[in-house]
Amino acid sequence: DTGVSQDPRHKITKRGQNVTFRCDPISEHNRLYWYRQTLGQGPEFLTYFQNEAQLEKSRLLSDRFSAERPKGSFSTLEIQRTEQGDSAMYLCASSLGPGGPSYEQYFGPGTRLTVT
Amino acid sequence: AQSVTQPDIHITVSEGASLELRCNYSYGATPYLFWYVQSPGQGLQLLLKYFSGDTLVQGIKGFEAEFKRSQSSFNLRKPSVHWSDAAEYFCAVVGLIQGAQKLVFGQGTRLTINP
Repeated sequence: DTGVSQDPRHKITKRGQNVTFRCDPISEHNRLYWYRQTLGQGPEFLTYFQNEAQLEKSRLLSDRFSAERPKGSFSTLEIQRTEQGDSAMYLCASSLGPGGPSYEQYFGPGTRLTVT
Repeated sequence: AQSVTQPDIHITVSEGASLELRCNYSYGATPYLFWYVQSPGQGLQLLLKYFSGDTLVQGIKGFEAEFKRSQSSFNLRKPSVHWSDAAEYFCAVVGLIQGAQKLVFGQGTRLTINP
């Protein structure tokens, strides 16, 4: 069990550029979540997958955001035409599911995005 | 809708002193509650959880939390803090949306330890 990994750890981009982040969950976990955390705040839910199916998206996830989880393994989160307001830490988490243990989400180290 | 309130944005305690971080939740059913800790620039580490049963739960690093349904609280405690406990602490509740089990977090409490 190597834990949840995210790549890159830091990303600096200019406004208007597209960025893509990757998350590799714990191998036996079939649920994968994306959260966004801005400075001084707790993480906020963006979207989640069960296997390859994206089952829920937050209203925070505008049309410029898209997430995929091909083959139910790793996931990518893409932000198109980045804006300064997108600057945040993007956290990925995974869990078993469904059932009791699925409530325990294990987080990766996050990708810190800075839009200049 | 589910919500979590952490009334204290920043707490400072001396090393070796006891600690209590407050958490109040709003949820219409039996809550599943969590405490996570986040060190600077890092992801979140699960400290402890409450699902059911004994209302006093033990976690890692010497932390414990007590679920009080009558007060809608789930306060985190530690009898004697160490300098390495300095971090941001988040209380969270599971919010069931289409079975998504998304976590709803409080704003966090930043803990500073004085030597």
